[in-house]
Amino acid sequence: QVLLVQSGAEVKKPGASVILSCKASGYIFTSFYLHWVRQAPGQGLEWMGRINPGGGSTNYARKFQGRVTVTADTSTNTVYMELSRLTSDDTAVYYCARRVGAAIRGRFDPWGQGDLVTVSS
Amino acid sequence: QSVLTQPPSVSAAPGQRVTISCSGNISNIGSNFVSWYQHLPGTAPTVLISDNDKRPSGIPDRFSGSKSDTSATLGITGLQPGDEADYFCETWDNSLSAWVFGGGTKLTVL
Repeated sequence: QVLLVQSGAEVKKPGASVILSCKASGYIFTSFYLHWVRQAPGQGLEWMGRINPGGGSTNYARKFQGRVTVTADTSTNTVYMELSRLTSDDTAVYYCARRVGAAIRGRFDPWGQGDLVTVSS
Repeated sequence: QSVLTQPPSVSAAPGQRVTISCSGNISNIGSNFVSWYQHLPGTAPTVLISDNDKRPSGIPDRFSGSKSDTSATLGITGLQPGDEADYFCETWDNSLSAWVFGGGTKLTVL
């Protein structure tokens, strides 16, 4: 069974950074891109970036360039997402998701359970 | 404001059929494949349809997908109370170089 298990809820102050983790199991970790997607309260989903755990290459949405870093640890099958310079607008549920399919085809499957990050002074 | 436009809500009675639309432009839906997801509050989203009209293993044939020009549609037949959820569409956007999503549609089974 393919599973993505995320680290848990976080509460941060404005200006701080948050690091979320996503541990994969049930498949060959280096064979699929892992993505990060977030959903702010009352808003739609927003793609943040992805990593190829096999080679370490990353791609980020322009909105988050310079503020987000995604890394992978192949020894523990875990992907990390660090978001810096947090503001209240970053309060959201953050999901990791595996991309299945060639290039831009396919689907996000499965998704992690989501982590609520609350940014508040 | 989401890149892809969905109706905020739809409703229908048990056993009926409902469709949910997803509208985009030539840079996203018009050029790429669309996936659909079901999202129950507090849980992880699950995929229903990929590559416009393909059902992954385990998804019942009550769920169907189609695409025409710059719009896509999710169809659900034989509605059940357990189908009450949020549904959203997703595709790649060539101009934004990013995956983009619809704002989500809340389905109510009356």
